[in-house]
Amino acid sequence: EDKVVQSPLSLVVHEGDTVTLNCSYEVTNFRSLLWYKQEKKAPTFLFMLTSSGIEKKSGRLSSILDKKELFSILNITATQTGDSAVYLCAVEDNTNAGKSTFGDGTTLTVKP
Amino acid sequence: NAGVTQTPKFQVLKTGQSMTLQCAQDMNHEYMSWYRQDPGMGLRLIHYSVGAGITDQGEVPNGYNVSRSTTEDFPLRLLSAAPSQTSVYFCASSYLGQGGYTFGSGTRLTVV
Repeated sequence: EDKVVQSPLSLVVHEGDTVTLNCSYEVTNFRSLLWYKQEKKAPTFLFMLTSSGIEKKSGRLSSILDKKELFSILNITATQTGDSAVYLCAVEDNTNAGKSTFGDGTTLTVKP
Repeated sequence: NAGVTQTPKFQVLKTGQSMTLQCAQDMNHEYMSWYRQDPGMGLRLIHYSVGAGITDQGEVPNGYNVSRSTTEDFPLRLLSAAPSQTSVYFCASSYLGQGGYTFGSGTRLTVV
């Protein structure tokens, strides 16, 4: 059974700090790893990492995938209060196309 | 485009009642899924579909049925509601598993 573990469960920082969120996974036949941001409502997609795309960057957010050690990190630099959210990590398995397994998320709070 | 539309947004059921949560997408996505999210937890997969006429069970399928007669619609049926089914339900879709899922705005269900 596929498994995703995120750490820490919660994190409180001040504006301007840099944060690193962790995601480790176990999957039978790895297809991709995805990061989502969830503020109050539905999750929104941030990044997808695959065997052919192990680093992604968008503005202050970046993510890398280590397929050997089976983990990914999401970095946020120069944090802002608008970054406060739950960050979710999910993995997709090639054996069961269309099936994503999510971790429990990291709750990030950015204080002014 | 409307994206992924879920109805209703809120629902209160009595134990034993049945109901259908509606989900429709207008992006011609093959993949559609239903998740439930309990407080402080990530998303748990209920059922998913990789195309019209094809459905499969996720992690927590008991007490729920789905069907996929068209590409656009993926309704979730609660057969006999139980208090343990109190949760927020999200429908999501994606195109052939490429990139992340697009989520609906969610249905908050309370079973009393």
